Amino acid sequence: AQRVTQPEKLLSVFKGAPVELKCNYSYSGSPELFWYVQYSRQRLQLLLRHISRESIKGFTADLNKGETSFHLKKPFAQEEDSAMYYCALRRPGTYKYIFGTGTRLKVLA
Amino acid sequence: GAGVSQSPRYKVAKRGQDVALRCDPISGHVSLFWYQQALGQGPEFLTYFQNEAQLDKSGLPSDRFFAERPEGSVSTLKIQRTQQEDSAVYLCASSPEKNTEAFFGQGTRLTVV
Repeated sequence: AQRVTQPEKLLSVFKGAPVELKCNYSYSGSPELFWYVQYSRQRLQLLLRHISRESIKGFTADLNKGETSFHLKKPFAQEEDSAMYYCALRRPGTYKYIFGTGTRLKVLA
Repeated sequence: GAGVSQSPRYKVAKRGQDVALRCDPISGHVSLFWYQQALGQGPEFLTYFQNEAQLDKSGLPSDRFFAERPEGSVSTLKIQRTQQEDSAVYLCASSPEKNTEAFFGQGTRLTVV
């Protein structure tokens, strides 16, 4: 079965500290993986996807097929990064996202 | 409009009442999705439309849930005889094609009392 696991419900870090939001997935194949972010009182929006290999707002995520992980990283957290982050999986060529339960990131001043 | 629009933003329903939730997708988007997000959980897939055709309704939790998109743009999610377990945020998303980026609305928070 396809599953996305985000083990941390809440992650608190100080401004300027590195941050890593964990995501592990279960899928027998090569999935498409995404990170979505929801800032306070805003809609869910795409942050980045593994296929584009971009760095958005200083965040990067590398797909590790051996560990079936897609952790989200940023070397220096900013207060405006405080938000809810969801990791999601999609079978290539399909439309259905499978989301994790989310991690709330709090960046403390 | 600038993005996916959902209405109402909040809905309180008495148990047993029928509700209708509306989604206005981004103009020209072929694909439309509904997701249900319970408190403390990630969004869970309910149903998928390609234009007016409902191609996948595998996520609808019961036959009390019904969705339509008759003209291939606006969609309505209807829940009959609401139950407390239906309380959740209902998210609508649209995309230009089925496997491109999905753009989400702000959701409708349904509370069944």
